[in-house]
Amino acid sequence: QVQLQESGPGLVKPSETLSLTCTVSGASITSYYWNWIRQPAGKGLEWIGRLYAGGATNYNPSLTDRVTMSLDTSKSQFSLKLNSVTAADTAVYYCALGMAVLDPWGQGTLVTVSS
Amino acid sequence: QSALTQPASVSGSPGQSITISCTGTSSDVGSYNLVSWYQQYPGKAPKLIIYETSKRPSGVSNRFSGSKSRNTASLTVSGLQAEDEADYYCCSYARSSPFVFGTGTKVTVL
Repeated sequence: QVQLQESGPGLVKPSETLSLTCTVSGASITSYYWNWIRQPAGKGLEWIGRLYAGGATNYNPSLTDRVTMSLDTSKSQFSLKLNSVTAADTAVYYCALGMAVLDPWGQGTLVTVSS
Repeated sequence: QSALTQPASVSGSPGQSITISCTGTSSDVGSYNLVSWYQQYPGKAPKLIIYETSKRPSGVSNRFSGSKSRNTASLTVSGLQAEDEADYYCCSYARSSPFVFGTGTKVTVL
């Protein structure tokens, strides 16, 4: 059974870089597509981007200038970096497995952007 | 890439059937049979309930069914139960992005 768990700071200052990690168990991180999705409080879901083993990435066109994703195969983890954050980046961030469908998802982690 | 359009809310009485629409364009819903639907309870992560427009993952109730006509996908919940009260999101593959979500629909069981 594949399980994903997000981790990282819950508070980030404006203009700084948001960094999150997703730890994968039950599947090889060198296979499949790995995604990040976010959801501001009371709002809908927004796909941020994905990466595939080997380094190929696809990013949401609205975020591509600020997003970087990477894999750490030794730790079975993949990560998200979002730079120059503002209050609009405050959201619950989820990681999820999938190429054409997102399943399963991690439980999510709340990141607040505030000074 | 704009979000797919869903009704903000849908309600029904126990035992009834409801249908949630998900309207896109010929660049997403209309071009691919890659629509998925997710159920989300408050404070919880979304859960996949329909994939490839009409397929159900193992363990998902057969009361959930999906379909598509041109640029609009639909999720039907038959035999509505109290436990179906949740938010529902559609998602489609698109030429410009692998995943485009719908605006979300809150289902209320009266």
